[in-house]
Amino acid sequence: RKEVEQDPGPFNVPEGATVAFNCTYSNSASQSFFWYRQDCRKEPKLLMSVYSSGNEDGRFTAQLNRASQYISLLIRDSKLSDSATYLCVVNGGGFKTIFGAGTRLFVKA
Amino acid sequence: GAVVSQHPSWVICKSGTSVKIECRSLDFQATTMFWYRQFPKQSLMLMATSNEGSKATYEQGVEKDKFLINHASLTLSTLTVTSAHPEDSSFYICSARLANEQFFGPGTRLTVL
Repeated sequence: RKEVEQDPGPFNVPEGATVAFNCTYSNSASQSFFWYRQDCRKEPKLLMSVYSSGNEDGRFTAQLNRASQYISLLIRDSKLSDSATYLCVVNGGGFKTIFGAGTRLFVKA
Repeated sequence: GAVVSQHPSWVICKSGTSVKIECRSLDFQATTMFWYRQFPKQSLMLMATSNEGSKATYEQGVEKDKFLINHASLTLSTLTVTSAHPEDSSFYICSARLANEQFFGPGTRLTVL
């Protein structure tokens, strides 16, 4: 089993749609969680951290379920510019950071 | 946020040659930097952790004699791909941590002919 697993997609959604991604992790001792966004042929960039209480940033909502060991990202009112690959990232403590393979999102007009 | 630069952004070389990639933290000091490799449609895979003033820590399956890492200062780490082969063609990305966030360089696309 992979340490961090994501549905690779692609998710094809129309503008304005709501889309959700899930990510599961295997190490129950993992300490911090993030969603990164990666555009084609570019480096990943931090989208948001994921807190136990859940957090929201504009159209983006991230949640953490420690009991079930999964993280979610919800995007509301999708924009064309949201098209990218979304990487689930788990920090297992110290400097060990594990990246999921990413979920590809295509938002179409 | 903090800025990490990489040079070169892309390189094409012949099989058997060596290629050096530089990673710099521009506005902060990084005692630890990370080197990743990403093949098309795959995730970033950590290759090694670069420690300033000491030897790098390599992940399982990564040949330390092929991927030479030097972290000579608090703002510079270099990755040298020695005797490159076509299967080494990939996107190489470095990163550095500041507080609890990782900042990535823009990546270097290596093509070995």
